[in-house]
Amino acid sequence: LAKTTQPISMDSYEGQEVNITCSHNNIATNDYITWYQQFPSQGPRFIIQGYKTKVTNEVASLFIPADRKSSTLSLPRVSLSDTAVYYCLVGARGGGFKTIFGAGTRLFVKA
Amino acid sequence: NAGVTQTPKFQVLKTGQSMTLQCAQDMNHEYMSWYRQDPGMGLRLIHYSVGAGITDQGEVPNGYNVSRSTTEDFPLRLLSAAPSQTSVYFCASRPTGAAAEQYFGPGTRLTVT
Repeated sequence: LAKTTQPISMDSYEGQEVNITCSHNNIATNDYITWYQQFPSQGPRFIIQGYKTKVTNEVASLFIPADRKSSTLSLPRVSLSDTAVYYCLVGARGGGFKTIFGAGTRLFVKA
Repeated sequence: NAGVTQTPKFQVLKTGQSMTLQCAQDMNHEYMSWYRQDPGMGLRLIHYSVGAGITDQGEVPNGYNVSRSTTEDFPLRLLSAAPSQTSVYFCASRPTGAAAEQYFGPGTRLTVT
C-alpha cells in the first residue's frame, strides 16, 4: 500500500482558497487518489477521487501532476463550515480492500 | 435508504466485559469494514469483509472478532474489554468493483473503565 504524507494542520480565513498537498512517492500504476472529509463526531465523507490531471466537482478540485507522486486538494473560498480533518488515501479503485487512513490534515477556518 | 446504521451510539463497559457493536447497511454493499478512532487521531482499520462469509484482519485486529453471516450485517465483538479499547468505532461499506466511495456510519463511542 502506498504511504501518504500530508501536513498535520493548516489555518485559513473565510473566503480564501485552501490547497492541501499530499505526497505519495510510491504510488502504483493502478492506484487512485481519494480524499475524505471528517467533521467532529461524524464519520468521514467522500469528497473527490482522481487518477491523473485534474478532477473537479461541486465541492473541490483535485490536481495530480504527471508523475502522480503528489496531489493537491483545492477548496475554493472556504467557510467556517469547512473546518474539518481531510484525509488523502491512495489505493486500487474498488480492489483496495484494506483502505487505510492516515492521520489527515486538520483545517481550521477562521472568521 | 437508511445507509449505514450503528448501535449503540454510546456504551460504557467495565474492564473484562464483552459486548457486540452492531452495524447494518441497506445498500447491498459487498464490502464492509470497522475502524477505530482515538481522540485526535486518524482512523485505524480493525477488520473488513468482502462479502458474506469472508472476513480478514486490518491494522489493529487484536481483541476484536467479526463475522459476516449476511450481506447487511457486520457485527464487531469485543471479547474482553480493556481501557485501551476506549475509542470511537466507525463502520463503513461500499460496493466492490469500481466504486470509489465508502459510506460511514455515525459511530459508537465506547468507554472502558
